[in-house]
Amino acid sequence: EVQLVASGGGVIQPGGSLRLSCVVSEFTVSDKYMSWVRQAPGKGLEWLSVIYRGGDIYYADSVKGRFTISRDNVKNTLYLQMNRLRGEDTAVYYCVAGHYSPWGQGTLVTVSS
Amino acid sequence: DIQMTQSPSSLSASVGDRVTITCRASQGIGHYLAWYQQKPGTAPNLLIFDASGLEPGVPSRFRGSGSGTDFALTIDRLQPDDVATYYCQKYDNVPWTFGQGTKVEIK
Repeated sequence: EVQLVASGGGVIQPGGSLRLSCVVSEFTVSDKYMSWVRQAPGKGLEWLSVIYRGGDIYYADSVKGRFTISRDNVKNTLYLQMNRLRGEDTAVYYCVAGHYSPWGQGTLVTVSS
Repeated sequence: DIQMTQSPSSLSASVGDRVTITCRASQGIGHYLAWYQQKPGTAPNLLIFDASGLEPGVPSRFRGSGSGTDFALTIDRLQPDDVATYYCQKYDNVPWTFGQGTKVEIK
């Protein structure tokens, strides 16, 4: 069964950095588009970033220049490096395989002093 | 960027009713649209891909339609288990924008 397991969330102070991980099983992380989506408390879904099979990378304007998506084919893991975190980055972060499915279970990031 | 406008933002209907949620793109996106169901505390669950393709395992009372700029998700014979928030998402080109969501409740 295809599984995506996200981790790395936690409480971080404004201005801090955090790296999220998404371990993938049953397929190779470089064989699919892989993306990150977040959901602030009580709000809707926000697409953040995608890394294409060929390695092309795109970001939403809200995180461009602060967040970096990457993958490790050996560890079969997708990453999201988040720098200069702000209160509005507080959200559950989901990793997604392909254009729309499957999704990981999400990891909560709380930016607060 | 293409904007996705979903309506209504919420609705209340009776068990057995037919419910329709619409999603409009500010420019044409072909058939590159997905619909998700999300229940509190859980990740979104894919219902429909490519505007009208039913994800395996999803009940056939969920139907997707449309292409270009206007899309719809129809739930035939609404069930108590369908109480959730529903989102559309485009994926023709980046950004893969979501609609604002529609909260469905039972009367």
